[in-house]
Amino acid sequence: DTEVTQTPKHLVMGMTNKKSLKCEQHMGHRAMYWYKQKAKKPPELMFVYSYEKLSINESVPSRFSPECPNSSLLNLHLHALQPEDSALYLCASRPTQGGTYEQYFGPGTRLTVT
Amino acid sequence: DAKTTQPPSMDCAEGRAANLPCNHSTISGNEYVYWYRQIHSQGPQYIIHGLKNNETNEMASLIITEDRKSSTLILPHATLRDTAVYYCIVRVDQAGTALIFGKGTTLSVSS
Repeated sequence: DTEVTQTPKHLVMGMTNKKSLKCEQHMGHRAMYWYKQKAKKPPELMFVYSYEKLSINESVPSRFSPECPNSSLLNLHLHALQPEDSALYLCASRPTQGGTYEQYFGPGTRLTVT
Repeated sequence: DAKTTQPPSMDCAEGRAANLPCNHSTISGNEYVYWYRQIHSQGPQYIIHGLKNNETNEMASLIITEDRKSSTLILPHATLRDTAVYYCIVRVDQAGTALIFGKGTTLSVSS
């Protein structure tokens, strides 16, 4: 299984809602990532988890709350988002052995905040 | 800031070779050159990477200049399905664990 899956594919939420994005991989990768991608822009790194511990938070607002409950699963909890948070949210994983940085990306969740 | 410079867009005729350039004049000796592509509304897809030597796989070839200041990704026989944004990446975040994307090149393949 060489796939990173993300659910849901699409999400529409109001500014007062609480929702979660889910990412899963079964490749044994111990590094997992969240990226945010606005239209016609490159992906921007949000969070990095290494061995289930948060290692990098790229100054992301607290309305985004990541969670890594186990080595296969990565969540992104959303609360009180703003319309400008509408974007494609990408999850990725990488093997932690080998020293090079081939990352495997999921298809993304298209988030619309109304 | 991105450490790479790529042309914003390129066109290629179907069946012809697509040569995508990338300048990375400040690359460090231990930094790899990675190429990813992103087809519209999908997640980025790994293509190839290299350090010093030229590399080839089933998708593409990577030519790195001897001084490592630039590289070229070659798609030998472009198809319509190769239309995508192509990212050349040579930097990683400070902890060395994630890829940082620059603006990329939008390749349009037409028949």
